[in-house]
Amino acid sequence: DVKVTQSSRYLVKRTGEKVFLECVQDMDHENMFWYRQDPGLGLRLIYFSYDVKMKEKGDIPEGYSVSREKKERFSLILESASTNQTSMYLCASSLPPGTGELFFGEGSRLTVL
Amino acid sequence: QKEVEQDPGPLSVPEGAIVSLNCTYSNSAFQYFMWYRQYSRKGPELLMYTYSSGNKEDGRFTAQVDKSSKYISLFIRDSQPSDSATYLCAIMNTGFQKLVFGTGTRLLVSP
Repeated sequence: DVKVTQSSRYLVKRTGEKVFLECVQDMDHENMFWYRQDPGLGLRLIYFSYDVKMKEKGDIPEGYSVSREKKERFSLILESASTNQTSMYLCASSLPPGTGELFFGEGSRLTVL
Repeated sequence: QKEVEQDPGPLSVPEGAIVSLNCTYSNSAFQYFMWYRQYSRKGPELLMYTYSSGNKEDGRFTAQVDKSSKYISLFIRDSQPSDSATYLCAIMNTGFQKLVFGTGTRLLVSP
């Protein structure tokens, strides 16, 4: 069965802390994505990656960075967390060239105090 | 103007009702149209996928695309309480993997 696993379901961090959100997929997918989901704004793409060590900015990359050292793992990094980064973060993966089918993890709810 | 517009709801219906969920989009270049379903505290999962205009049926679900009006719809027949979820439309350019999502419509089906 297809599986995208996000390491933490709930996190509470303080302003200025460095935050790591980890995502692992077991489907050998080339493409991986990080979205954030906010009420009234829907899903917004932060970063995506088509291959190992490759990354592309999405629509809202400011304040975030990513790392993809291995095909199965895609990490989202908040260098200095701020309160406006309180959100639900969703990781997803897919095969190229793309049918639009993304496989999502269950999400990581981050609260920045 | 947002690329995809979707009424956030909530939409409340009694069990057995026919449900209509809709999205409009602005860019005529989009060719692929999807509906995702998201249960509370879960990630979205693909429900229906269509390419270009027309209808696609899968059990109680029908996805409809009208490219001339830039309008996509999801119909649910004989709705069940288990259909209570948020439904997100998504669209994609040809050959490009990036999806654009609507904000989602929350559906509540009461027994």
